Amino acid sequence: DAGVIQSPRHEVTEMGQEVTLRCKPISGHNSLFWYRQTMMRGLELLIYFNNNVPIDDSGMPEDRFSAKMPNASFSTLKIQPSEPRDSAVYFCATVDQGGYGYTFGSGTRLTVV
Amino acid sequence: SQQGEEDPQALSIQEGENATMNCSYKTSINNLQWYRQNSGRGLVHLILIRSNEREKHSGRLRVTLDTSKKSSSLLITASRAADTASYFCATDAGNTDKLIFGTGTRLQVFP
Repeated sequence: DAGVIQSPRHEVTEMGQEVTLRCKPISGHNSLFWYRQTMMRGLELLIYFNNNVPIDDSGMPEDRFSAKMPNASFSTLKIQPSEPRDSAVYFCATVDQGGYGYTFGSGTRLTVV
Repeated sequence: SQQGEEDPQALSIQEGENATMNCSYKTSINNLQWYRQNSGRGLVHLILIRSNEREKHSGRLRVTLDTSKKSSSLLITASRAADTASYFCATDAGNTDKLIFGTGTRLQVFP
């Protein structure tokens, strides 16, 4: 099993541009979570899906952020337009039905200049 | 908002010594988990302790949970340089799969 796969690993973009982060969960894991990590705020839960359905998006900072999970094999987190304060490491994590321990991807380091 | 806070924020020890990290949380939980994060990597699940358990062991890891004090501790015995990482506690939020992570403890183990 290749684990949770995130792409790209690094993204540098200019303010105002659209950014799309991608996540491929572990097969069979039915819950998927998007987290953002910064030095100032630590790990923040942005949104999570269960069986491809968004369950809780209360952590999404504003309307510029959107997330989708069109099928069990793929999820995206989009920021449009991006701002310098969005610079952070974005993690995708998944867990199976038993819910015992998340598996994290390696993250996407986003820098907005 | 963060549910848990770790203490200390940073810890430096020599190889062979024990490392103890503490976590406090705010609301009732079903379980508490500990994760490790190496620099530039994702988090790795270490151990889970349920609310009806008081202590759990896994290799060189020992976790305790005191629900009356809303606190947990992670003990790493006979530390190694490879244990250098940040350690986070995480608690569930009600009857969901959602985990809320603490602020983390940065552990440095010197050879």
